[in-house]
Amino acid sequence: GAVVSQHPSRVICKSGTSVKIECRSLDFQATTMFWYRQFPKQSLMLMATSNEGSKATYEQGVEKDKFLINHASLTLSTLTVTSAHPEDSSFYICSATPGEGLGNTIYFGEGSWLTVV
Amino acid sequence: GNSVTQMEGPVTLSEEAFLTINCTYTATGYPSLFWYVQYPGEGLQLLLKATKADDKGSNKGFEATYRKETTSFHLEKGSVQVSDSAVYFCALIDGTYKYIFGTGTRLKVLA
Repeated sequence: GAVVSQHPSRVICKSGTSVKIECRSLDFQATTMFWYRQFPKQSLMLMATSNEGSKATYEQGVEKDKFLINHASLTLSTLTVTSAHPEDSSFYICSATPGEGLGNTIYFGEGSWLTVV
Repeated sequence: GNSVTQMEGPVTLSEEAFLTINCTYTATGYPSLFWYVQYPGEGLQLLLKATKADDKGSNKGFEATYRKETTSFHLEKGSVQVSDSAVYFCALIDGTYKYIFGTGTRLKVLA
């Protein structure tokens, strides 16, 4: 069964509104979570890395004020797309790992489809 | 910078056909290489991995060999099943947690 769960799996929102996507680790405490997005026919691109209790580290070109990431607990990270626009429509997927070191497996959520109309 | 290139899909095969999905990479150093699979409505799942040159990763009948000389990590399966229909992602990690993914290849297996 899934060890990382995302919600909602699909969301449609109006342009200008904000939408929140949750990522939960179900069977472990995730010290680090990652958020990716994927445009049609393109690669999954890392947006940001979040560590519990600290600010997220954003990849170059990702607007931190637009994509708010909160990792307030060891089992939950949220991505809020603020003032959404149609170009934000994409597939967003999170991943989580229980600890540091390459020996720890990284688990992915099911992904969330965002459509901004 | 690091990158992963995989063949465009969709790939449509008949059941029991041989599968190859090509993947090549560009990286500094010695990355670890992965194949992930995403079944409809589910998250990405690790299919197999290889951490050094000439390693062969294998799982569920799928195989891929880390070829440093050709910077490739092609995914193969001798006889595909309808249940193998999914999207397959090739990826690398360069020593951190940051995955670099390919674009994904959709596989459709017909009965």
